[in-house]
Amino acid sequence: GEDVEQSLFLSVREGDSSVINCTYTDSSSTYLYWYKQEPGAGLQLLTYIFSNMDMKQDQRLTVLLNKKDKHLSLRIADTQTGDSAIYFCAEISTDSWGKLQFGAGTQVVVTP
Amino acid sequence: EPEVTQTPSHQVTQMGQEVILRCVPISNHLYFYWYRQILGQKVEFLVSFYNNEISEKSEIFDDQFSVERPDGSNFTLKIRSTKLEDSAMYFCASRTSSGSGNTQYFGPGTRLTVL
Repeated sequence: GEDVEQSLFLSVREGDSSVINCTYTDSSSTYLYWYKQEPGAGLQLLTYIFSNMDMKQDQRLTVLLNKKDKHLSLRIADTQTGDSAIYFCAEISTDSWGKLQFGAGTQVVVTP
Repeated sequence: EPEVTQTPSHQVTQMGQEVILRCVPISNHLYFYWYRQILGQKVEFLVSFYNNEISEKSEIFDDQFSVERPDGSNFTLKIRSTKLEDSAMYFCASRTSSGSGNTQYFGPGTRLTVL
């Protein structure tokens, strides 16, 4: 079945760039998403990319998609302490009614 | 900005009891979803709902679970006879019919604790 994998932990210094990586197996993915979850809170959509694109930039966020390798990344420029959270990669495939398949999440810790 | 709301934020129940988790999706949205996240695990899809019927469900969504849209605003998840392993955070989500990347907007979640 479909699977989405992420590294579990990332530590980054304040002001540096963070890069969170994700791989997926579903070749019929249409949209791929990044969600952010702060402690005790819900899932906040950060950005998404359509599968026919290879890059999308949104302020401090840059999403790169390598469809051939089924690899997605999220780069956060000038990482701030408020960026400390769990980041989830998720995908939707063409043959579903919008079922999101999530990765396990990457915990990002920003140190001063 | 419109948002998905969920009540209660925390529900504690005894094993075998019925619980109803409530959600108010964003008002012009047409597709509705429930997900759950067991502590420390992935967010898992439970069910999707469109046009007053279930459009897709996962293996987790067995006969103990049901969903309903009793009026024009609420969307509920009922668990008939709760088990210890139903303890999790339950998220409701909704989206419009098209556009914006089919983005689903999530509520803050209901933490269900089964004792």
